[in-house]
Amino acid sequence: AQSVTQLDSHVSVSEGTPVLLRCNYSSSYSPSLFWYVQHPNKGLQLLLKYTSAATLVKGINGFEAEFKKSETSFHLTKPSAHMSDAAEYFCVVSDPGRSGYALNFGKGTSLLVTP
Amino acid sequence: DGGITQSPKYLFRKEGQNVTLSCEQNLNHDAMYWYRQDPGQGLRLIYYSQIVNDFQKGDIAEGYSVSREKKESFPLTVTSAQKNPTAFYLCASSIAFSGTDFYNEQFFGPGTRLTVL
Repeated sequence: AQSVTQLDSHVSVSEGTPVLLRCNYSSSYSPSLFWYVQHPNKGLQLLLKYTSAATLVKGINGFEAEFKKSETSFHLTKPSAHMSDAAEYFCVVSDPGRSGYALNFGKGTSLLVTP
Repeated sequence: DGGITQSPKYLFRKEGQNVTLSCEQNLNHDAMYWYRQDPGQGLRLIYYSQIVNDFQKGDIAEGYSVSREKKESFPLTVTSAQKNPTAFYLCASSIAFSGTDFYNEQFFGPGTRLTVL
């Protein structure tokens, strides 16, 4: 089965500094990977997705992620953090081994942005 | 506006009581999903449905039941058999896809927070 591991449960950055949220995946073949964001007591919003096209994927709100097969990683980055970026971020893999192609979620990384 | 609605936003359940969470979508999606979210555990799949009148158990289906009588609706019932139901419940939907397409973006509702009194 496909799975993801988010390497940090909490990340704290200062406003205006770069953001790096790390995610490794395990897969027996080329996966579909996603990053979702969740603000407190809200549903999840898709930030970006990788589906075997370009390895550098650009998403909404200035976020991007790079698929690195050799490192089995899909880290999320942003050049300059904004206070509104404070939220929970989930790295997600689509698992075609499961009927219905359900998603497998990482446990999440909580991003704190300080003034 | 197209989207997914969940109701109620907050729900309180007494011991031994069944409660039903509503999920409606107007995106014309074939597939719908229910997830449970607990702090520090990410999202875990409860049930999913790829088509009307069909649904499958996910990873943590015990103590839950669903129905899919209409394409746009996928209600979840939390039964008294679910011993620890306090959690945040999220409904999602996606377009059905061919067997060669692994891409499966899911769209999420705003969630229902269930608390056992």
